[in-house]
Amino acid sequence: AQSVSQHNHHVILSEAASLELGCNYSYGGTVNLFWYVQYPGQHLQLLLKYFSGDPLVKGIKGFEAEFIKSKFSFNLRKPSVQWSDTAEYFCAVIRYGGSQGNLIFGKGTKLSVKP
Amino acid sequence: DGGITQSPKYLFRKEGQNVTLSCEQNLNHDAMYWYRQDPGQGLRLIYYSQIVNDFQKGDIAEGYSVSREKKESFPLTVTSAQKNPTAFYLCATQRTELYNEQFFGPGTRLTVL
Repeated sequence: AQSVSQHNHHVILSEAASLELGCNYSYGGTVNLFWYVQYPGQHLQLLLKYFSGDPLVKGIKGFEAEFIKSKFSFNLRKPSVQWSDTAEYFCAVIRYGGSQGNLIFGKGTKLSVKP
Repeated sequence: DGGITQSPKYLFRKEGQNVTLSCEQNLNHDAMYWYRQDPGQGLRLIYYSQIVNDFQKGDIAEGYSVSREKKESFPLTVTSAQKNPTAFYLCATQRTELYNEQFFGPGTRLTVL
């Protein structure tokens, strides 16, 4: 069965530090990948998505992610984090097969940024 | 004001009672989804509906039921058969075309006492 793994449960960084959150997926075929963010008390919202083309995807608020097919990875990066980036981040992949269009989510990574 | 409305924001129920969570959307999206979010577990799919009057079980449908009588509405009933109903419930919508993102509501936190 398809799955998504996020390596870090909780990451703590100081402001201006660089961020990389890991995401690996299990499906070997064509994939569509997403990163969602949940700020404290707010809706889950889309950060960025990859469907095809350039494997380096840029999203909102200075985030980017790189799709590496050979590594089954879609890691999220930001060169310099801010206190306002404190949130929970979820990687997701579109499920293929009987439930097309549904998303499979990773377990999430909580990011705490110290001012 | 376009979007997804979930009500109530917080809900408390006694064990053994059924409870219905509301999800309404005015985005004109065909597909709607219910997820359950537990700490450290990510989001898990309960039920989804791609068109009116049709819905499918997700990964953790046991103890839940849904209906889709109108395009705008997709209520979720948490029944007494759900063994561990205390959780944060998220409703989402999606346009019919594949590969589009899902849009999420603000969620309902259900606590069963």
